[in-house]
Amino acid sequence: GAGVSQSPSNKVTEKGKDVELRCDPISGHTALYWYRQSLGQGLEFLIYFQGNSAPDKSGLPSDRFSAERTGGSVSTLTIQRTQQEDSAVYLCASSLGRRQPQHFGDGTRLSIL
Amino acid sequence: GESVGLHLPTLSVQEGDNSIINCAYSNSASDYFIWYKQESGKGPQFIIDIRSNMDKRQGQRVTVLLNKTVKHLSLQIAATQPGDSAVYFCAENLANTGANSKLTFGKGITLSVRP
Repeated sequence: GAGVSQSPSNKVTEKGKDVELRCDPISGHTALYWYRQSLGQGLEFLIYFQGNSAPDKSGLPSDRFSAERTGGSVSTLTIQRTQQEDSAVYLCASSLGRRQPQHFGDGTRLSIL
Repeated sequence: GESVGLHLPTLSVQEGDNSIINCAYSNSASDYFIWYKQESGKGPQFIIDIRSNMDKRQGQRVTVLLNKTVKHLSLQIAATQPGDSAVYFCAENLANTGANSKLTFGKGITLSVRP
């Protein structure tokens, strides 16, 4: 597609369940990023992929969070044993490389009951 | 610690007037800056970017100014329209260290356009 696509757009789940969020970046973009945005806040960096490798995972808040990218394209962010503080909008972005604009999807709104 | 921040949380302007949104950054090692616009329920939308070797860059109805001496970034919107109402974020990227490609975002400022 023309833009970054994320699914699902909304996810409601019970505390303790695992969730998987998907990001389909702009075709040809080698760099992919995950951010988290809490209500009324700025964006918090989670992880950066260059191709299929993740040279910067410094933003992942705990070992319950993991992400992978395959084929240099689609990425999934997995949260295990979800907690209420995980509730946020999870945004994915892609770019052609460093110091190039990052283009965002519309995010997945995650709500943990 | 190093941070990117915005001077004001909200800005209200009259339709047709020019808007100026300001941002202060404290990391002198940042070499790339972006302004984003975010509407409710949407992801941030790229507006304009500027590299540290430039002082000014113009787009369609928008201008970004970079003052490295005082570590200040501003976004000017000409002839503000109701469709410009949104939250605006500035973001910075540290100079190239290979693995460091993340953006650091400010908290955002809400622009409200009065008809």
